[in-house]
Amino acid sequence: NAGVTQTPKFQVLKTGQSMTLQCAQDMNHEYMSWYRQDPGMGLRLIHYSVGAGITDQGEVPNGYNVSRSTTEDFPLRLLSAAPSQTSVYFCASSIVEAPVYEQYFGPGTRLTVT
Amino acid sequence: AQTVTQSQPEMSVQEAETVTLSCTYDTSESDYYLFWYKQPPSRQMILVIRQEAYKQQNATENRFSVNFQKAAKSFSLKISDSQLGDAAMYFCAYTTDKLIFGTGTRLQVFP
Repeated sequence: NAGVTQTPKFQVLKTGQSMTLQCAQDMNHEYMSWYRQDPGMGLRLIHYSVGAGITDQGEVPNGYNVSRSTTEDFPLRLLSAAPSQTSVYFCASSIVEAPVYEQYFGPGTRLTVT
Repeated sequence: AQTVTQSQPEMSVQEAETVTLSCTYDTSESDYYLFWYKQPPSRQMILVIRQEAYKQQNATENRFSVNFQKAAKSFSLKISDSQLGDAAMYFCAYTTDKLIFGTGTRLQVFP
């Protein structure tokens, strides 16, 4: 049971480049989400999904796109990277239960945009 | 809007001693969950303890316990018999449908 996996672990981009951060979970969780972690700011929600075909914006969605075509995968796309997107990105998943139950986190991706 | 505040950016404790990390939150909801997450240098987010708002009894997990004061909107974490491996960032988090984190407290443990 791999839990939540993220690839890559590290990435360096130049300003304007695009890339996709991958996230997959094998726990059949309906709820998946992306966070970014910046120094002194905790984790902030970017986008989330409550099931295949359903996505919604979180606190800091600008500059990021997501899609959810399967229950297992929830990729995060940066269409035109900017230095302000330098951060550590975490993917998380959980069952859908109101209020949302505990989330399981992936190991994170450290992204640097130069 | 819901907010979570951790007013202690850094704390330190001697090995085997007890330390308490503070957390307050603001919400108008009556049904929610609260969590404490640990983030060691490996960066992995590890759930330490959770508390359901409708439960009056404070949650405990081995050396970790919480003091949940619903009326005061306070949710502190007590670590007893501190160990070197407890050194990490600790994040308080609140959720109804979205997880909202505080800014974290860095805990140092001295031998």
